[in-house]
Amino acid sequence: DGGITQSPKYLFRKEGQNVTLSCEQNLNHDAMYWYRQDPGQGLRLIYYSQIVNDFQKGDIAEGYSVSREKKESFPLTVTSAQKNPTAFYLCASGTSGYEQYFGPGTRLTVT
Amino acid sequence: DQQVKQNSPSLSVQEGRISILNCDYTNSMFDYFLWYKKYPAEGPTFLISISSIKDKNEDGRFTVFLNKSAKHLSLHIVPSQPGDSAVYFCAADPSGGGADGLTFGKGTHLIIQP
Repeated sequence: DGGITQSPKYLFRKEGQNVTLSCEQNLNHDAMYWYRQDPGQGLRLIYYSQIVNDFQKGDIAEGYSVSREKKESFPLTVTSAQKNPTAFYLCASGTSGYEQYFGPGTRLTVT
Repeated sequence: DQQVKQNSPSLSVQEGRISILNCDYTNSMFDYFLWYKKYPAEGPTFLISISSIKDKNEDGRFTVFLNKSAKHLSLHIVPSQPGDSAVYFCAADPSGGGADGLTFGKGTHLIIQP
């Protein structure tokens, strides 16, 4: 049963704490992506990785960090430097083709 | 500076009729476009795509039209069904090859009325 999993579905944190969002895929995709969605907004690219041990900043990378130690995993850390961390976070993966396949998302609330 | 624009935040269509969702883009280097459908609190699901070498792509009830000179694409859904009610995102590939992430519009909330 192939797909992309994100955990947890809902996450609550206090301001000033770092938090790591999980993303795993068993689709054997080389590329993985992190987007965030805010109300009334489209998806904005945070970070992406085309291959293991390599990743690139997207349009809104400030306050976030990632790692890509395994092909299947691309965790995203939301640091205390991110000024507006409350959002819906979406992970995606893809091959050399164009379609990206998305996970179910994690809703992060920071208070 | 928004490179992919969906100017209608919402659209209401009667069941059985045609739904037409529009998308405009500003970057003439975009060469591949995709439509995604999204339900609340879920990840988007891929619907249909089109390459800039084509002007039409059809898949069942869904057809995407591309007008390169106008930098405009549209998604047609016919006939519209209640399950089509969702937010639809237009996306473009800015780099070619699909590896560098997609640029998304803000979405159009389609509401199918019985």
